[in-house]
Amino acid sequence: GQNIDQPTEMTATEGAIVQINCTYQTSGFNGLFWYQQHAGEAPTFLSYNVLDGLEEKGRFSSFLSRSKGYSYLLLKELQMKDSASYLCAVNQAGTALIFGKGTTLSVSS
Amino acid sequence: GAVVSQHPSWVICKSGTSVKIECRSLDFQATTMFWYRQFPKQSLMLMATSNEGSKATYEQGVEKDKFLINHASLTLSTLTVTSAHPEDSSFYICSARAGLSYNSPLHFGNGTRLTVT
Repeated sequence: GQNIDQPTEMTATEGAIVQINCTYQTSGFNGLFWYQQHAGEAPTFLSYNVLDGLEEKGRFSSFLSRSKGYSYLLLKELQMKDSASYLCAVNQAGTALIFGKGTTLSVSS
Repeated sequence: GAVVSQHPSWVICKSGTSVKIECRSLDFQATTMFWYRQFPKQSLMLMATSNEGSKATYEQGVEKDKFLINHASLTLSTLTVTSAHPEDSSFYICSARAGLSYNSPLHFGNGTRLTVT
C-alpha cells in the first residue's frame, strides 16, 4: 500500500519560520516533491529531494530522510502570500506523482 | 519554463451531456501526460496516465468508458467526461513532465472546474 501523511492545517505569523512535515510509506520511491497550491489554482513546483539532506532555495528549504520515510518543507520569513496549501508528493516508479492530502497554511499579520 | 495549457478553465453542463477538456504542452513535447481530479479540500487524485499513440492507463476505480482519454500528438491530450452526472463535478488538472528524466517535476495546467447541474 501507499500512505503519505501531512498535518491538515497550520497557522503562523508574518516573519516567522514554519516547518511542514511529511511522512510516507510507498511501494516505490524515486524522489519527493513539494508543491504550493493557492485555492482554485493549479499546483506550482517548489522543491525536489531524491538524496538525503537539505535542499535550499531562497526562503524555502526541503529536507529528506529516506531511511525514516520523512521530509519537511521549511518556510522562512513568512509573508501573507505564503498562505496556501502545501502538497507533499512521492515520485513512485518514475511515473506519476502520488500526493498527500496537503497542509493548509494560514499566515496572519 | 515549461508551460502546460488547459482549456476550458471552467464549464457548466447539464446532466447526461459530455464535456471535453484539452491539455497542451506549449513549449515541450510530452509523450506522457497525467490527469488528476481534486474534490474540495482534498488532495489531487491520479485518474489516468495518458500515453501518446497508445491507450491510457487508468487508476483503480476510474471508469475508462466514462473518462475517455485521447493523446493523439506529442503536445495534446484530451479528457472527455461522458454522460456527466453531478457527482462528476470536480476540479480536473492535467500535468506533464518536461524533461526525460523521472526526477523532472510535473508541470500542471491551470485546471478545469466542471460543474454538472
